Formats: sequence, structure tokens, C-alpha cells
Amino acid sequence: GENVGLHLPTLSVQEGDNSIINCAYSNSASDYFIWYKQESGKGPQFIIDIRSNMDKRQGQRVTVLLNKTVKHLSLQIAATQPGDSAVYFCAETPGTASKLTFGTGTRLQVTL
Amino acid sequence: EPEVTQTPSHQVTQMGQEVILRCVPISNHLYFYWYRQILGQKVEFLVSFYNNEISEKSEIFDDQFSVERPDGSNFTLKIRSTKLEDSAMYFCASTKNPGTEAFFGQGTRLTVV
Repeated sequence: GENVGLHLPTLSVQEGDNSIINCAYSNSASDYFIWYKQESGKGPQFIIDIRSNMDKRQGQRVTVLLNKTVKHLSLQIAATQPGDSAVYFCAETPGTASKLTFGTGTRLQVTL
Repeated sequence: EPEVTQTPSHQVTQMGQEVILRCVPISNHLYFYWYRQILGQKVEFLVSFYNNEISEKSEIFDDQFSVERPDGSNFTLKIRSTKLEDSAMYFCASTKNPGTEAFFGQGTRLTVV
């Protein structure tokens, strides 16, 4: 889906720098969290997930941090590339429920 | 790599008409979902479906909406009488189990005129 016109928080980073995208979630019962990347005209694409029994999880060039005390989630992208330009959403769910609740998203713009 | 596929990619319909959006979830997944994203807004949950019945639905999913798994592979969303405000991207998703990675399709852009 396109997010044209959406007044999203925007993070501009230079190619090669690290990016940190933040998300506050509201449901203290949520115990499973996912970061999705959405490029214009496409569906959400899974990046990385984390369960509430962890506070950090690393993938390839990405790291998710979870702070349950303040209900905060962050996504760190190392050595940001132009192909990382997209809107990033966090999503949460209580493990026994199946629906995902999405955050409002952050637009990442990578400049050369 | 397995993927969720949706058809059509774009549908234009007149207000009051019925539309059916189609999805083929990943073959070994058991839980199916519809979400929508109105232009300029975030992704919103509509309905989840498991074992041939609705397991949860949002307040958006009123009597004008229905879902069906007519055969072993397709999962459809029907809007009986479309309204202008139904214009949005509609995403289908599937998971093996609740609380695990949900895979999304590319979406159907529905435009009601």
C-alpha cells in the first residue's frame, strides 16, 4: 500500500550510516512483536520478530530491541542502503490471539 | 519461497456493487487474515479465520463483509454493497500458528467510485 500523503515521522539517513526506528506499543499483554517493511505499492514484508522473553534479537544487518518496562521497541539497521528506503511498521500481538496491531509507521529515507 | 498471492491487484467498482477479493494463502498455513490500509493511514485488522470459521473480527468488519474458504486453496473477502469509504488497499495474510510470523500478500487496491 502506498503511504503518499501520510504524515509519517520521517528519518533521513546517509547511505552507510546506522538507522534507529522507534515504536511505542500500548498493550501490556502483547508478547510477540514484528517489524515490517513496506515499499510503495507492496504489502508488508517481514523483517524480524522478537518475543517478550527476550530484550534483543539480531538478524542480518538488523537488530530489534524490546523494553517491556516502557513498552518500547526499536529497529536498528546497520550500514543503511538505498534499498532500505521504505515505511517501517512495528506490529504487536498477544501470543494467544492472532491479529496484529500495527503502529503508525516511520518513513526511512536513505540519501546518497 | 512460498508466498501469499492476491488477485486482482487493482479493482475499480461502482458504489453499491459487490466485490470479491481473492487470496491464495501459503499452502501449509492454517490461519488466514484480511487487513486493510486506507490511503494515508496504518494497516488495520479486519478478520481472522481458522478451521473454516471466523475466529476474530474488528468493528470494521460489519454485515457488509464476509469471508469464505470455498476450496482448499482460496480465501476470499466479499463486500456486499461497496461504499466510497471502502476504498483502500486490502491485504491478505497467513500464518502457521497464532503468534508467529504473518506473511502478507501484495494487496488489492480497491477503488469505489
